[in-house]
Amino acid sequence: DAKTTQPTSMDCAEGRAANLPCNHSTISGNEYVYWYRQIHSQGPQYIIHGLKNNETNEMASLIITEDRKSSTLILPHATLRDTAVYYCIVRVANYGGSQGNLIFGKGTKLSVKP
Amino acid sequence: DTEVTQTPKHLVMGMTNKKSLKCEQHMGHRAMYWYKQKAKKPPELMFVYSYEKLSINESVPSRFSPECPNSSLLNLHLHALQPEDSALYLCASSLTRGYQPQHFGDGTRLSIL
Repeated sequence: DAKTTQPTSMDCAEGRAANLPCNHSTISGNEYVYWYRQIHSQGPQYIIHGLKNNETNEMASLIITEDRKSSTLILPHATLRDTAVYYCIVRVANYGGSQGNLIFGKGTKLSVKP
Repeated sequence: DTEVTQTPKHLVMGMTNKKSLKCEQHMGHRAMYWYKQKAKKPPELMFVYSYEKLSINESVPSRFSPECPNSSLLNLHLHALQPEDSALYLCASSLTRGYQPQHFGDGTRLSIL
């Protein structure tokens, strides 16, 4: 799977939008971009995923650049409960072998401050 | 709240003990996973089950023995563990092994004395 690069940490003021970048410059055409987060003492939580179009759900928006070499996760109105480690993962969508496995990198530690 | 339930939440065991971790989901998912997470590190994949059959073993030592007795249940049997095996053990499930998202439990925090 392609590797991703994320900032180690970011701060965001409560109520403001949190924009978390991810670089995946070696992504292949059949690889999706997934975002998960892990709040302290909990398991990872799926947020959103996309292939090439921008995606939005009740939690967040995912903006993927046209060349697919980078993406941004947007939490529109961050709250203190959004403080977590956010993982950007590139993953092949197939049914066999190890290429479709989730490979977690170090992620970005987002701290939402009052 | 998580739809993947892991028990127990905490486990302390000696190196000679035998214990089991349990994971249960009732979402009709046919793929289930075990991950290991050391402190301040990302989760690492251990095992993958697809339709109750072991698909992937990421070179995990034999002192960890997975079992999938039915489509809703995943166990991890532990025997003769080492102190370095102390970690958070996470279970996850997905509809199949395709591109569908994985849903994680909150893990079992294991301490080996």
